[in-house]
Amino acid sequence: ETGVTQTPRHLVMGMTNKKSLKCEQHLGHNAMYWYKQSAKKPLELMFVYNFKEQTENNSVPSRFSPECPNSSHLFLHLHTLQPEDSALYLCASSQVSAGDTEAFFGQGTRLTVV
Amino acid sequence: GDSVTQMEGPVTLSEEAFLTINCTYTATGYPSLFWYVQYPGEGLQLLLKATKADDKGSNKGFEATYRKETTSFHLEKGSVQVSDSAVYFCALSDGGSGYSTLTFGKGTMLLVSP
Repeated sequence: ETGVTQTPRHLVMGMTNKKSLKCEQHLGHNAMYWYKQSAKKPLELMFVYNFKEQTENNSVPSRFSPECPNSSHLFLHLHTLQPEDSALYLCASSQVSAGDTEAFFGQGTRLTVV
Repeated sequence: GDSVTQMEGPVTLSEEAFLTINCTYTATGYPSLFWYVQYPGEGLQLLLKATKADDKGSNKGFEATYRKETTSFHLEKGSVQVSDSAVYFCALSDGGSGYSTLTFGKGTMLLVSP
């Protein structure tokens, strides 16, 4: 099993649809993250979770709703998205510690909103 | 706030050429610095890292030195291969919270021709 697995790899949805992105990590980490990668923009941190508790929300619109049922799984629920939300959504995990802060990334979900 | 600036791409090189991708940062405190690589259709993979001033990170022939006096973390490789073609991201993490909340540069595409 790879360290961080994201499903689906590709998703096309209409603006009125509701869909969910899934992330699972097999590394025993206690923190998980959602990042957004849009064309010609730096990767943007969206949400941070530690032990299922959300610790950071970077002013993300409410049409993106994260859920972290346990320290190994992270979801991003999507509803009434806009075409500009089309992007690569990357999940990452890390072990919260005072020293090394290395993050491990999944392969991402390529989302297209039509 | 924190920021990372890296050179615009694409960088186009012939096989066995010398590579430099410049990266400078702005941060409060003492961040950890990273280079991530993204191959076509894939997520991000950690290439190398440095956690304190004058540290040198290295991996797969790539190197970068944490220069606090110039706030830089330039990526170098002595002889590139076609398989090195990818997008390279410079990133920092302030690390103070113990989380891996990364601030990324925009990425530099590297194209290596035979």
